[in-house]
Formats: sequence, C-alpha cells, structure tokens
Amino acid sequence: QSALTQPPSASGSLGHSVTISCSGTSSDVGGYNYVSWYQQHPGKAPKLLISEVSQRPSGVPDRFSGSKSGNTASLTVSGLQAEDEADYYCSSFAGRNNPYVFGPGTKVTVL
Amino acid sequence: QEQLVESGGGLVKPGGSQRLSCGASGFSVSDYYMAWIRQIPGKGLEWISYITSRDGTIYYADSMKGRFTMSRDSAKNSLYLQMNSLRPEDTALYYCARDHGRGHDCWALDIWGQGTMVTVSS
Repeated sequence: QSALTQPPSASGSLGHSVTISCSGTSSDVGGYNYVSWYQQHPGKAPKLLISEVSQRPSGVPDRFSGSKSGNTASLTVSGLQAEDEADYYCSSFAGRNNPYVFGPGTKVTVL
Repeated sequence: QEQLVESGGGLVKPGGSQRLSCGASGFSVSDYYMAWIRQIPGKGLEWISYITSRDGTIYYADSMKGRFTMSRDSAKNSLYLQMNSLRPEDTALYYCARDHGRGHDCWALDIWGQGTMVTVSS
C-alpha cells in the first residue's frame, strides 16, 4: 500500500485543465521539497514531468506545473491535449533510506 | 543520446534466482545516483534500491533487503540486480533509472529503461 494518496481517476475536457493531488505526511511530502511527478502511457516507461515540487526538466511543456501546500502536492495540466491521457504518479523523498515513495497513480481521461 | 537498456528478465521458479543487467549509454552511471524500480503489471511503482554516485553506497527498500543485491560496474557502465529466493509476488516489470540530480540532491528519476519482465511461477 502506497504511503502517498492520489485519486484513482481524474478527467478534463480538451483544452481545459485538470489538477491531481498527492497527499502525504510531514515525513515525506510536507517535510521535503523533493516531490516529483511522472507520466506513463500504456506499455511505456514513466516520464519525468516535474522534479523538486515545481521544476520542469528540459523538454517538458509548460502546460505541466507543480506545487505544494503543507502535506499535499499537486500537478496541474493546462490546455489538455489528447496525448495527455495517461497515468500520473507522484513521488516523494522520505529520507535516504526511502527516497522514492510513489503514489498509487491517477488515470487522467481527456474528454 | 542518454539511454538505459535492461536485460535478464524471464520465467523463474519460486525460490529461484535471476540477475538483471542495465547498460547505460550517453552518460556515466558513476556520475549519478542510479535506482532500480519495479512495477507489477497494471499496478503502481515500487522502489527497490539505489546506489550513490561517488562512494557507491547502496540502499534497499526494507521489503527487498536480504534477497536483492544491487551492484555497479563502472568499466562496463552498467548496473546489476541480483534477485534471490524469488516469490510469485516479485513478478513485475523491472526498470533501472537515473536520478536527475548530478552533484546535488534531486530525488527524481529522469532517464528510465524500457524495463525487463520477471515472472516467478512454477
């Protein structure tokens, strides 16, 4: 069972926005600014979208943005496109003995 | 082009062993923290182990300690995961991945291999 909590599904209309939450505790999400987000299409490896709460790696569109408040992090996908339909996972650092704690994933559907 | 390629997966009987390999190209595995992650088909991601860049210290998830052993061969620019006493619940797609931070803590995985499937079944 994941230590982080994500909604199992989320949806948004083409061109609109969707926000996914990732809830943890003060021992993970709330305790460090090391929350990351991944996108995974069926049959593909995860792709890093956001690191360190809100940093976008080179090549990731600015439609993807991350934030954090207390023990909850969020990923917002703006201007939804058909190719954004995928599973999204959050991950948080929880100490050097448990650095990659993943959420259960959220399936995003583009309507 | 920076990439990782895993190999070594297959069908193994319960109680058996398997050694996975992960070859890197376009960068040196010794310059980054590197990790093994697994994913049960249709399920979420689970961290297995990671190795630090400079001193090569290895950390394991509690549930993997004692059965899984990670190693690195800098000359071959490769990582390995030796898995012993395998159980049906170890059936998963195994990925190696690179941490995005080079020289600083980042704890986000930016390069992933395509994964290698391990099936534990009699």
